[in-house]
This record gives sequence, structure tokens and C-alpha cells, in this order.
Amino acid sequence: ELKVEQNPLFLSMQEGKNYTIYCNYSTTSDRLYWYRQDPGKSLESLFVLLSNGAVKQEGRLMASLDTKARLSTLHITAAVHDLSATYFCAVVNNNDMRFGAGTRLTVKP
Amino acid sequence: EAQVTQNPRYLITVTGKKLTVTCSQNMNHEYMSWYRQDPGLGLRQIYYSMNVEVTDKGDVPEGYKVSRKEKRNFPLILESPSPNQTSLYFCASSLYYGTPEAFFGQGTRLTVV
Repeated sequence: ELKVEQNPLFLSMQEGKNYTIYCNYSTTSDRLYWYRQDPGKSLESLFVLLSNGAVKQEGRLMASLDTKARLSTLHITAAVHDLSATYFCAVVNNNDMRFGAGTRLTVKP
Repeated sequence: EAQVTQNPRYLITVTGKKLTVTCSQNMNHEYMSWYRQDPGLGLRQIYYSMNVEVTDKGDVPEGYKVSRKEKRNFPLILESPSPNQTSLYFCASSLYYGTPEAFFGQGTRLTVV
């Protein structure tokens, strides 16, 4: 059974600092997604990672995928308040898509 | 504008009273799915549909039904809602199963009392 674990679940960080969110999964995967959700809003697609070693970057966010370790990371560089949100990873295996529990990120001045 | 539209956005109902949450997309997408979001559990897939008249169970299908008579619409039906179905529901669509970008609806917050 495909299981997805994200950590940490809550993250409070200072503006300007760097941090990494981790997404571990239990079986082989066809692809991995990262989403952002603002309070009371829907999910916004950030990245799709399709192969081992894939790295995608957008602004202060960088996502990577290690399929051998069954691990994806979302790295935040020099955080700003606008990045405060909940971030989800989602892993797809065959027709099964499983989400992590989410990481609620709060960036403080 | 490309979008996934869910209705209603908020719904309070009583146990056992049948309800339908509608989902419509205007992008001619083949793949559509329903999720529920509960605190600490992330999103869990309820049902998905690869195309018209093709639906299948996701992770938590019990207590739900779906239909896909037209490509654009994918309603979620709760025949006899119970309090444990109180949740935030999202509909999503993508061009085909496996295409990178999934579009999510704005969500439906359902409370069953």
C-alpha cells in the first residue's frame, strides 16, 4: 500500500532563513507533485517531478526527487512572509494518488 | 477562463438526507476526481474517472457515489450522509490521467449534523 509521510507537519521560520520539507513514500512512484494551499483556498500546483534526480525551481522554492530513496524535498531559500501556506506532496503509483498530511508553514518577520 | 467549478461552496445538512455536490470543468479534460480533506490526513481520494462512463474507487469510497455521463460533469452523491462525512471536499481535473497539471475546484465545506 502506498503511504506518504511529510515532515515536519508544522514549521515556523524567520524571514530570510532556509529550510527543507521532506516527503517520504513507501512504494515505487510514477510521479510526485507539490501543491500549495492558502487558508480557505483550493490547491495550487507548484511542481511535478517525473524522474530520479529531477529538480525544479520556481522563485524561492526548489523541489527535488530521489526515487531510490523514495524521497522528495521542497527547499525554501530566504523565506518571505508570502510563502506562508500549507504545502502538500502527492505521490502517484499506477492509478493510486496519495497525499501527505501537509506542512503548515508560517514565516515570521 | 479555465476552471473547475464546484457547488455549493458551503452546505449544512442533516443525517440521512441525500445530497449532491456538483463539479464541472470547461477544459475538455478526460480525468476527474474527488477528494476529501481532513485535518492531519491531507487529501484522500474518494473516486476518480478516466473518461465518460468510466469511474473507479479511490482510497475512501464508502458512503459515496459518482457518475460521469458527460465529460464536463462529475457529481458526488451522498445517498445517506452521516456526521463522519463532515469534511472539505475538492474536485479536480486533468487532461488525461498522468498529465502533470491538475486543476482543483474551490472546495465544498460540508457539515452533517
